[in-house]
Amino acid sequence: QSALTQPASVSGSPGQSITISCTGTSSDVGSYNLVSWYQQHPGKAPKLMIYEDNKRPSGVSNRFSGSKSGNTASLTISGLQAEDEADYYCCSYAGSSTVIFGGGTKLTVL
Amino acid sequence: QVQLVQSGSELKMPGASVKVSCKASGYTFTTYALNWVRQAPGQGLEWMGWINTNTGNPTYAQGFTGRFVFSLDTSVSTAYLQISSLKAEDTAVYYCARITSMLRPKPPDYWGQGTLVTVSS
Repeated sequence: QSALTQPASVSGSPGQSITISCTGTSSDVGSYNLVSWYQQHPGKAPKLMIYEDNKRPSGVSNRFSGSKSGNTASLTISGLQAEDEADYYCCSYAGSSTVIFGGGTKLTVL
Repeated sequence: QVQLVQSGSELKMPGASVKVSCKASGYTFTTYALNWVRQAPGQGLEWMGWINTNTGNPTYAQGFTGRFVFSLDTSVSTAYLQISSLKAEDTAVYYCARITSMLRPKPPDYWGQGTLVTVSS
């Protein structure tokens, strides 16, 4: 089972918006409303930013939003801030009691 | 508040075994399952499998069968990951992470801080 496909890197300037894509298949991303997104700073544990495609946990900034179309999920960060610079991972239920992660995307705030 | 506190870093020789612990607090341990996730140095996250904390039934992802064992001690709200016959390629940070379901694994919500296992002679 291959990892979900994410761009290796994205960048943006402070105040701008960026979108990170996460492409799977009709067997995982496209079949279930169970895509989550995680932010990971160097040396730290991942932090949940979006769950069930587009829901935001309590305490997560509303600058973070999730969406999905077909087999591709997306994370959008608006009003980029320096502290948003991190690695971002998508994750989906993939059927047959399995879970799959994306390869990760490094976000650079210019 | 929900917390998953993992045991400290380990340095092991090739061929040895290691047991990583993950102690839960802030919620009822047996009402949420747990994922185990591996992150090799400089690499992405890799799902290893999950364990139903009510039944103790583990499920292992492809590539994590045989040398990897998930177990529980519900009396102390703790999950364990044991890896035997360690190889250099097992060097990684291992995370436990809570799942808001007992019926099937899902992307997790809360994560432990991670345990670095280094395998080197």
